[in-house]
Amino acid sequence: QVQLVQSGVEVKRPGSSVKVSCKTSGGSFSSYSFSWVRQAPGQGLEWIGQIIPIFDTKNYPQKYQDRVTITADESTSTTYMELSDLRFEDTAVYYCARETGGYIDFWGQGTLVTVSS
Amino acid sequence: SSELTQDPAVSVVLGQTVRITCQGAGLRIFHASWHQQRPGQAPVLVLYGENLRPSGIPDRFSGSSSGNTASLTITGAQAEDEGDYYCHSRDSTTNHVLFGGGTKVTVL
Repeated sequence: QVQLVQSGVEVKRPGSSVKVSCKTSGGSFSSYSFSWVRQAPGQGLEWIGQIIPIFDTKNYPQKYQDRVTITADESTSTTYMELSDLRFEDTAVYYCARETGGYIDFWGQGTLVTVSS
Repeated sequence: SSELTQDPAVSVVLGQTVRITCQGAGLRIFHASWHQQRPGQAPVLVLYGENLRPSGIPDRFSGSSSGNTASLTITGAQAEDEGDYYCHSRDSTTNHVLFGGGTKVTVL
């Protein structure tokens, strides 16, 4: 079955960058788009960007356009999310999610990123 | 429009029916999908399209839509249905992904 497996816990200093990976197994990679979503402690889901690997098209909300970079490696069926200039308020669980037909059908297990001095 | 609005919380007596709503201008164009998130876990898709359930989701979950409002109904709620429910759709102008603020469902 389809699985999205993300990289492990990260602890970062303010001002640094973090790169989280998400490897897809059990299904096609290029036929789908992938979103990254974050969830701060006790808060709801927040979309931070998307990539369509077959077209290498990326979309970001304006709030994250300058700090988030999403990439994909079709040879390993992996998508990456890099967040730069980290702030304390970037502490959150980051999820990757596969999209098809306008809806998300599978989620990664989540990666906790903690920003701490 | 760039928002999806959900009620923050709702409670239901075990075995009874509860409806969760999601409002947004883009829902006049795009279907909503619904995701359940239990504490400490990743979200899981429970409903999508006009009223479709992924494999393994019980048929007590159903959906409907009218105008700018999408609804998720749990008929005969069970204890394991407790959690946060998020609607998901797209902004009709930018095509960006949108999430509602989430509805916490408590089964009494």
